[in-house]
Amino acid sequence: NAGVTQTPKFQVLKTGQSMTLQCAQDMNHNSMYWYRQDPGMGLRLIYYSASEGTTDKGEVPNGYNVSRLNKREFSLRLESAAPSQTSVYFCASTELSYEQYFGPGTRLTVT
Amino acid sequence: DQQVKQNSPSLSVQEGRISILNCDYTNSMFDYFLWYKKYPAEGPTFLISISSIKDKNEDGRFTVFLNKSAKHLSLHIVPSQPGDSAVYFCAAREGNTGKLIFGQGTTLQVKP
Repeated sequence: NAGVTQTPKFQVLKTGQSMTLQCAQDMNHNSMYWYRQDPGMGLRLIYYSASEGTTDKGEVPNGYNVSRLNKREFSLRLESAAPSQTSVYFCASTELSYEQYFGPGTRLTVT
Repeated sequence: DQQVKQNSPSLSVQEGRISILNCDYTNSMFDYFLWYKKYPAEGPTFLISISSIKDKNEDGRFTVFLNKSAKHLSLHIVPSQPGDSAVYFCAAREGNTGKLIFGQGTTLQVKP
């Protein structure tokens, strides 16, 4: 089992460009999450999907959109990247709703 | 307004001694508390959890204590090992939504 995988690992964007971060899990989990980690801020929830076909906003959803493509995949899209979106992005999944399993992260820089 | 706070950004201890990491919270509706460990360039990994109806949970060298009246929890690592050097995140689960709220993290350095 690969667990939770994320692509790409690194990305540099110019302000205004768009991109999609991909996440997939092979643990047959129902719930999936997108977080961002910034220095001194911990992990903040951007969007989550409690089950296939549903998505909800988290603490910091502005500037992002998500798609729960199927049970395995949950993508995060930046339509018009801004320097404030420079961060490390983590995807996570869970079945029990508290022990979440995290991917290795995507380090995004917006110039 | 931060609902889960880790007020110590860093902690340094000697190998073999006890490490104590602290976390405070404000929301009485949290039903589970968790600790995650994170190495550089990796995702966080689950370490240990405690239900809000318990006051202690132990797993090998790791023990989590919950003081509900003080809205405080702590993670004890005994004995500390150099491989424990990492960032530790405290997290609390909202009982009604299932979402996790994370603290800012504490960087633990265990010196040989």
